[in-house]
Amino acid sequence: AQTVTQSQPEMSVQEAETVTLSCTYDTSESDYYLFWYKQPPSRQMILVIRQEAYKQQNATENRFSVNFQKAAKSFSLKISDSQLGDAAMYFCAFGAGNTGKLIFGQGTTLQVKP
Amino acid sequence: GAVVSQHPSRVICKSGTSVKIECRSLDFQATTMFWYRQFPKKSLMLMATSNEGSKATYEQGVEKDKFLINHASLTLSTLTVTSAHPEDSSFYICSARRAGGFESEQFFGPGTRLTVL
Repeated sequence: AQTVTQSQPEMSVQEAETVTLSCTYDTSESDYYLFWYKQPPSRQMILVIRQEAYKQQNATENRFSVNFQKAAKSFSLKISDSQLGDAAMYFCAFGAGNTGKLIFGQGTTLQVKP
Repeated sequence: GAVVSQHPSRVICKSGTSVKIECRSLDFQATTMFWYRQFPKKSLMLMATSNEGSKATYEQGVEKDKFLINHASLTLSTLTVTSAHPEDSSFYICSARRAGGFESEQFFGPGTRLTVL
């Protein structure tokens, strides 16, 4: 069975600084997908970034980038130039197979200090 | 594109009554919809997976007779909490997987807060 672990329940960062959220996973699948979702206080889940496991190149979306280490089964999210609007709960998620099911990590609450 | 709506956004009901929550994909056809439950400051717990025109697949520990799921069309799934009790109070979120879309990617509704008195 697949598992996703986020070992940082809470993180804080100064506005304009950079922060990295960690995520590790365990799977025997060779073909899978990884996601980072943001859940602000409104509780609407928003896709931040996604990575296909077969791609070696790390995904990037503006200020958000990932460090995907397939052998280590690690998928960290780096937020550059942090903004107050980045404050939210962030979930790492794993998806594989044709069911489309996602397995979520426990979440990391990010606080951005002005 | 890829907008998912939920209705109602919040509902308060008396213990013993049933509550229906609707999940709609507004601008795409959803081959699969998912229902999650989330407690405050906790992760999303998958309750069930529903495919249009077939019975839902429930996760272990989820009572299928209590949480009735119907996926009548490619744009609508409903979750009915039957004989609700205070312990059913929670935040319920649906998501939809787009037909022909990116593998495993899900689009989420805004959630429904259920309070059972």
